[in-house]
Amino acid sequence: EIVMTQSPATLSVSPGERATLSCRASQSVGINLAWYQQKPGQAPRLLIYGASTRSTGIPARFSGSGSGTEFTLTISSLQSEDFAVYYCQQYNNWPPLTFGGGTKVEIK
Amino acid sequence: QVQLVESGGGVVQPGGSLRLSCAASGFTFSSYGMHWVRQAPGKGLEWVAFIRYDGSNKYYADSVKGRFTISRDNSKSTLYLQVNSLRTEDTAVYYCANSYGTSRYFQVWGQGTLVPVSS
Repeated sequence: EIVMTQSPATLSVSPGERATLSCRASQSVGINLAWYQQKPGQAPRLLIYGASTRSTGIPARFSGSGSGTEFTLTISSLQSEDFAVYYCQQYNNWPPLTFGGGTKVEIK
Repeated sequence: QVQLVESGGGVVQPGGSLRLSCAASGFTFSSYGMHWVRQAPGKGLEWVAFIRYDGSNKYYADSVKGRFTISRDNSKSTLYLQVNSLRTEDTAVYYCANSYGTSRYFQVWGQGTLVPVSS
């Protein structure tokens, strides 16, 4: 099973600032990596797939990068609606499909 | 628009059973693989099960293998999860989600249905 590790667990950022979230895989997943955003009481929403491709309707301030075992989600200028929990997920080697533990982006 | 709506959740005692449903609309259900993903209260996401677009292949997380059964009825655009021998650690919100082709990321999610397992 591929273990996904996200850091930090919590990220405190001021509105308008840049946020950088990390995701590490226990073995290479190529670019088969997705990012999701989840707000309280809501279902997750797909942001990024293929490590760097934005899903339909996702603003350009969200960008993904990386390959192999190291991945990054960057939010270039945080808006109020971006404060949420973010999860990475690998789909290269399954079952099982595995998620990271999440990074909570909170208001500083 | 594309929509997934889960139902069937509710309080169940340990050892009990339940059938969850997920009604799909706004896309060609029979062309998409479907998943169940769960989230325990205050915890992260855990993939539970997958069924191929035509029902020919099914995969399960080890934690539910032998107790949960995923199925689908393409004529009704509906996904199911039969959950048996429930344990307290199965308490979670259960989401259905779709994926297309061979890329197993979750494109669209339902709003979830809560299954508390408690005596």
